[in-house]
Amino acid sequence: AQSVTQLDSQVPVFEEAPVELRCNYSSSVSVYLFWYVQYPNQGLQLLLKYLSGSTLVKGINGFEAEFNKSQTSFHLRKPSVHISDTAEYFCAVTLIYNQGGKLIFGQGTELSVKP
Amino acid sequence: DVKVTQSSRYLVKRTGEKVFLECVQDMDHENMFWYRQDPGLGLRLIYFSYDVKMKEKGDIPEGYSVSREKKERFSLILESASTNQTSMYLCASTTPRPEGLDQPQHFGDGTRLSIL
Repeated sequence: AQSVTQLDSQVPVFEEAPVELRCNYSSSVSVYLFWYVQYPNQGLQLLLKYLSGSTLVKGINGFEAEFNKSQTSFHLRKPSVHISDTAEYFCAVTLIYNQGGKLIFGQGTELSVKP
Repeated sequence: DVKVTQSSRYLVKRTGEKVFLECVQDMDHENMFWYRQDPGLGLRLIYFSYDVKMKEKGDIPEGYSVSREKKERFSLILESASTNQTSMYLCASTTPRPEGLDQPQHFGDGTRLSIL
């Protein structure tokens, strides 16, 4: 079975500071990896995804993530955060051979950016 | 842009009521999903559907059923609502693979359901 663990439930950070949100996954088969963001009172929207190729992927709003197969991690980073980045962030995986695109989510990390 | 619309943003119902949550997508997606979101637990899959009149159980189907009579509409039904079903419910849709290999799931804004 597959599982996703987000190591921090809450991350407080000051504006313009760098941030890293950590995600580890467990799977006996190959997976695709995603980060989604949920702003207050909204649904989820895709930040970035890793399917194959370069292990460093760039997404929207200046975020990037690095896939590390040996450590089964997919940490999300941003070099300088803004107040508007305050949101909940979800890491998710799907099996490469899963025709339905079913996602398995982590528990979520609340990013709180303070002025 | 893909639009996934959930019929209600907020809903308050009483224990024992039959509750319907509706979801409509406008992109002709074959696959649709219902999740519930609870603090500290992330999103958990309740049911999903790959086609009209087709449904499969997710990880937490107990107490729920679904209906997919038309491709664009996927309904979640709480047969007899209980207080432990108070939660945020999110609907999503996507295209199947392989032609939609890198297509993400598109989410609605969610329905916050309170069962009193």
